[in-house]
Amino acid sequence: GEDVEQSLFLSVREGDSSVINCTYTDSSSTYLYWYKQEPGAGLQLLTYIFSNMDMKQDQRLTVLLNKKDKHLSLRIADTQTGDSAIYFCAPTSGGSYIPTFGRGTSLIVHP
Amino acid sequence: DSGVTQTPKHLITATGQRVTLRCSPRSGDLSVYWYQQSLDQGLQFLIQYYNGEERAKGNILERFSAQQFPDLHSELNLSSLELGDSALYFCASSLGQGRVGSEAFFGQGTRLTVV
Repeated sequence: GEDVEQSLFLSVREGDSSVINCTYTDSSSTYLYWYKQEPGAGLQLLTYIFSNMDMKQDQRLTVLLNKKDKHLSLRIADTQTGDSAIYFCAPTSGGSYIPTFGRGTSLIVHP
Repeated sequence: DSGVTQTPKHLITATGQRVTLRCSPRSGDLSVYWYQQSLDQGLQFLIQYYNGEERAKGNILERFSAQQFPDLHSELNLSSLELGDSALYFCASSLGQGRVGSEAFFGQGTRLTVV
């Protein structure tokens, strides 16, 4: 099955860029999602990238995919305190299109 | 609001009991997924249904079962509950299973506490 690894914590200053990294093992992942979870809330789909893309930009979010190294990253530009949350990398496993989640990275944004 | 509705939001029950969690997918979505989120295991995929039929199984215990009804809502049944079953249970839905329309949208979850 798919294994997904993320750093547990990232601390940044308001206004800086945040980069959250993720590595995965299943080279046949088709969709690679990023979800955001705020305290006590559900999972919000932030963005995703198809496996045949290298980069996707969506307003302040940039997703980079290195398929050879099975490495995915999410960059948040001009990070705000409202961006403080847990961010989950979730590549789909094989041909099933079922997201497999990492442990999540807690992003802490301080003034 | 993702459009996926889960009820109840909170549930407290005793060990040995049985509970049913309900999920209404987004309008038009045919696929429903159930996940369990606990502190020690993280987010674990349990089971997927597509248009009424079981499509994939993950780390679902034998004490747990699910079904998807003709109106596409789904229920997750948890029986002989143990303290370790305390977790947040999420439902997600997607339009289909192909390359387009497979984005999974999650509900707010049901927090189950077993005492």
